[in-house]
Amino acid sequence: KNQVEQSPQSLIILEGKNCTLQCNYTVSPFSNLRWYKQDTGRGPVSLTIMTFSENTKSNGRYTATLDADTKQSSLHITASQLSDSASYICVVTIYTGGFKTIFGAGTRLFVKA
Amino acid sequence: DAGVTQSPTHLIKTRGQQVTLRCSPKSGHDTVSWYQQALGQGPQFIFQYYEEEERQRGNFPDRFSGHQFPNYSSELNVNALLLGDSALYLCASSLARDRTYEQYFGPGTRLTVT
Repeated sequence: KNQVEQSPQSLIILEGKNCTLQCNYTVSPFSNLRWYKQDTGRGPVSLTIMTFSENTKSNGRYTATLDADTKQSSLHITASQLSDSASYICVVTIYTGGFKTIFGAGTRLFVKA
Repeated sequence: DAGVTQSPTHLIKTRGQQVTLRCSPKSGHDTVSWYQQALGQGPQFIFQYYEEEERQRGNFPDRFSGHQFPNYSSELNVNALLLGDSALYLCASSLARDRTYEQYFGPGTRLTVT
């Protein structure tokens, strides 16, 4: 069964600290993996995208890694800001004659002053 | 260049009623997907429309139906509403020929069923 699992479910950190969110997937055939940021009550916004051959992708203070062998990805946030408080969702795209996206449940990040 | 827009923003309905949600895709996009997101959960795929036809469907009952118009905009209809249908409904648009399948999401419609 195609699944995307994220951990932790929620996380509280102090402003200025770093954090790492995890994503494990059991999907195939893998096409790409995206991390989205979703503010409360809003639609998700793409942060990074990685294909099978990419190991690392950065977008400002966000750095995503991908290990296609172990089917694991992480999202590292550096020098967190209050505005980083949001849900971070890992999404894997597969292609089976048509594209299909499988969403993780997300990690809820709270950044405190 | 307008992004994905959805209407209405919020909606309150009673059990058993019917509801229609609307979505306008990002300019230039031809594919629209609908998702249901319960509180604290990731989005669940409902269905996808391309060339005015349903191309893929997730595990949702027939009470959920949709339509895509020639201008690529789309509607999601839900009949015989249940309390469990309360959720944020997200519309995402994409370009069929985009091999990365990048989706742009709208702000969502918050549906409350009482």
